[in-house]
Amino acid sequence: NAGVMQNPRHLVRRRGQEARLRCSPMKGHSHVYWYRQLPEEGLKFMVYLQKENIIDESGMPKERFSAEFPKEGPSILRIQQVVRGDSAAYFCASSLMRGGNTEAFFGQGTRLTVV
Amino acid sequence: KNEVEQSPQNLTAQEGEFITINCSYSVGISALHWLQQHPGGGIVSLFMLSSGKKKHGRLIATINIQEKHSSLHITASHPRDSAVYICAVILRSGGGADGLTFGKGTHLIIQP
Repeated sequence: NAGVMQNPRHLVRRRGQEARLRCSPMKGHSHVYWYRQLPEEGLKFMVYLQKENIIDESGMPKERFSAEFPKEGPSILRIQQVVRGDSAAYFCASSLMRGGNTEAFFGQGTRLTVV
Repeated sequence: KNEVEQSPQNLTAQEGEFITINCSYSVGISALHWLQQHPGGGIVSLFMLSSGKKKHGRLIATINIQEKHSSLHITASHPRDSAVYICAVILRSGGGADGLTFGKGTHLIIQP
């Protein structure tokens, strides 16, 4: 079991480009969470998805950000028209079940730099 | 005010010292997690607690639900324990209830 796999590990984008961040959950996990860690700040919840469904996107910025978790393939966090303020580490976590009483496993993160 | 407060923010200690990191939260929670993050690295889940105490190797985590407080202890600390330790909770209600709400982390440095 390879654990939660995120790629790329590092991503550089120019302002206005699109960034696509991928997350493959642990085998057998159907619950995926995306978190953002801004420089010098703590982690913040962005979105919670199950296969083919967005369950809770209350932490997602209203514009330019979207997430999906298709039936086949990894979960994708997409940022359109990136700006410098999007530079951050984006972490994905997966769990076997929904809710807080189940262990979440984190990926290594994708460090996005917008230049 | 943050819903999850950690102290201290920074901690430098000598190898072998007993380390305590504290976490307080202000609302009802379903569970509390302690996480470890090395510089430039990923996040590792150390413990998940909803009551009592857990131990894994040199690490011990406790939680007092009534006092809304948890502690992470490291015995016989070693330089490889140097990392950021993050407390995170699952809130019982509110937006993002299925996701974790995080403290800002405690930067721990263990000097040889």
